[in-house]
Amino acid sequence: QVQLQESGPGLVKPSETLSLTCAVSGYSISSGYYWGWIRQPPGKGLEWIGSIYHSGSTYYNPSLKSRVTISVDTSKNQFSLKLSSVTAADTAVYYCARSPVEVPGSNWFDPWGQGTLVTVSS
Amino acid sequence: SYVLTQPPSVSVAPGQTARITCGGNNIGSKSVHWYQQKPGQAPVLVVYDDSDRPSGIPERFSGSNSGNTATLTISRVEAGDEADYYCQVWDSSSDHQAVFGGGTQLTVL
Repeated sequence: QVQLQESGPGLVKPSETLSLTCAVSGYSISSGYYWGWIRQPPGKGLEWIGSIYHSGSTYYNPSLKSRVTISVDTSKNQFSLKLSSVTAADTAVYYCARSPVEVPGSNWFDPWGQGTLVTVSS
Repeated sequence: SYVLTQPPSVSVAPGQTARITCGGNNIGSKSVHWYQQKPGQAPVLVVYDDSDRPSGIPERFSGSNSGNTATLTISRVEAGDEADYYCQVWDSSSDHQAVFGGGTQLTVL
């Protein structure tokens, strides 16, 4: 059974870089599929941040593209998110998830990690 | 960018049928996926590729997609179905990107 677990600081200062890691168990990232990050501000809806293929190719939300970097470390079976120049608007629960497809075009997300709350505040 | 529109709320009595819509320009040409999110929990996939169900999802959950509207149908609604529901597509028209609808809160009366 595939499981994903987010980790990282729960508090980040404005203008700094948010860094999160998603550890994957029960499946080897190097075997394939896309891996994504989605966030949800408190009381609001879901927003896709970006996705990465196991080989390293990426797709980013155009509204966040200038600040986002997603990378994969197959040796540790994990992938990571970096979001630079954060503001209070970046406060959200951040989820990682798998997209069990090999070609982009019908990417759905299943399963999801439990999510981690990141608060941007000084 | 592509926009998905959902009603903010839908209410239904137990045992009845709930229909949650997701509107988008020619959405029938895309594959639509649906998620259920209960308070304090991560979203769970309930329908993918318009009408397929992941293993473990009851047959009461079904989906359809045509024209400018996709629909998630929940038959014989139970109290435990009360949750937020989100539709999602992958938009390949310009930049490849995932797009979520704004979400619909399902209330079981």
